[in-house]
Amino acid sequence: DAKTTQPTSMDCAEGRAANLPCNHSTISGNEYVYWYRQIHSQGPQYIIHGLKNNETNEMASLIITEDRKSSTLILPHATLRDTAVYYCIVRGLIQGAQKLVFGQGTRLTINP
Amino acid sequence: GAGVSQTPSNKVTEKGKYVELRCDPISGHTALYWYRQSLGQGPEFLIYFQGTGAADDSGLPNDRFFAVRPEGSVSTLKIQRTERGDSAVYLCASSITRADTQYFGPGTRLTVL
Repeated sequence: DAKTTQPTSMDCAEGRAANLPCNHSTISGNEYVYWYRQIHSQGPQYIIHGLKNNETNEMASLIITEDRKSSTLILPHATLRDTAVYYCIVRGLIQGAQKLVFGQGTRLTINP
Repeated sequence: GAGVSQTPSNKVTEKGKYVELRCDPISGHTALYWYRQSLGQGPEFLIYFQGTGAADDSGLPNDRFFAVRPEGSVSTLKIQRTERGDSAVYLCASSITRADTQYFGPGTRLTVL
């Protein structure tokens, strides 16, 4: 079972920041938070991951709360091409825990 | 560089037939994963290879499903006696090692009539 909870859907206006929340209250100390997205009819695309510090790359920023029980993915200037299903995944790296467990994700729609 | 590739992109077969789906991982990636995605659902794990060996096959639904990776690079997912319920998108992912980020291919859409 997925260890994360995400809203089913969200809308955001083009050009604005899209903030996607994720709850992972049962996360353990050696588990990372990963974000992927899936644009219609494509394979999942890696976005970003983090352990406890905030992370930023060319696609997005990841903000993890101090207690690590929740996180927010931020797309700073959303475009129509960011319309996709976004998956927040908690992943451990111990033996046997390499697989990704996907939930239902958040369907993000960017509106013109 | 080249990403994960999967062939065919689409496969239509009849109930009871045998199918093979191929995955070419990113060059140098030692870990390879297969997932299955049914309509409207997130991907579900099937099997994971570290090198040539299947390190975790706990997600394979039954013994009609089998996967190989004989030389530690290309992998083939084999499905015997296909059933209509096997219709799904089959996704392959690879990573440098088991601890690294997984990168996905475009998937193979399997339709069993």
